Amino acid sequence: GAGVSQSPSNKVTEKGKDVELRCDPISGHTALYWYRQSLGQGLEFLIYFQGNSAPDKSGLPSDRFSAERTGGSVSTLTIQRTQQEDSAVYLCASSSQVAGSGEQYFGPGTRLTVT
Amino acid sequence: ILNVEQSPQSLHVQEGDSTNFTCSFPSSNFYALHWYRWETAKSPEALFVMTLNGDEKKKGRISATLNTKEGYSYLYIKGSQPEDSATYLCAFSSGYALNFGKGTSLLVTP
Repeated sequence: GAGVSQSPSNKVTEKGKDVELRCDPISGHTALYWYRQSLGQGLEFLIYFQGNSAPDKSGLPSDRFSAERTGGSVSTLTIQRTQQEDSAVYLCASSSQVAGSGEQYFGPGTRLTVT
Repeated sequence: ILNVEQSPQSLHVQEGDSTNFTCSFPSSNFYALHWYRWETAKSPEALFVMTLNGDEKKKGRISATLNTKEGYSYLYIKGSQPEDSATYLCAFSSGYALNFGKGTSLLVTP
């Protein structure tokens, strides 16, 4: 079956511009996560969606970051007024299980470069 | 921030060598420990999810052990092959989010 897909695969943007990153999780997976990996760092948790519950936004690094998940499926991560430190690979993952004991299935990521 | 440490940072072995990596994590509020394999230009792929102290899991030539009391997990690769070259990520969960280490980058040369 289809895995997690993300678009675009690469995005180059100028400092100060807004960007939107999209994630299509595996059909039926109720849990959706966003992570990012900055150069030389480990994967960093950003936000978690579970069904229709309010998302856990505790990992978002600033109020320039926001995310939504429409209809319990597709998710969009928006970064406003991008800064150079936002350059990273942004990964989306989905899981059929609510808790952290379930395997997470990752998409191929979006490589964001802010110039 | 929950500190997950992986060592070594990188490893270069010859085909046929066996190798192992270490992941250390907080021993309190443990829920699960994950291992992922991340090949260049691909998505991270789940290898193991372990939840019980003393768990040992195996998939082909790769196996993992878990000690939740002392907060460490080992990943073993027996008879490394060039296709094992990848970054191996360890992630600790105390709830639903995963806290990842920086990974161990493995290069296996023929």
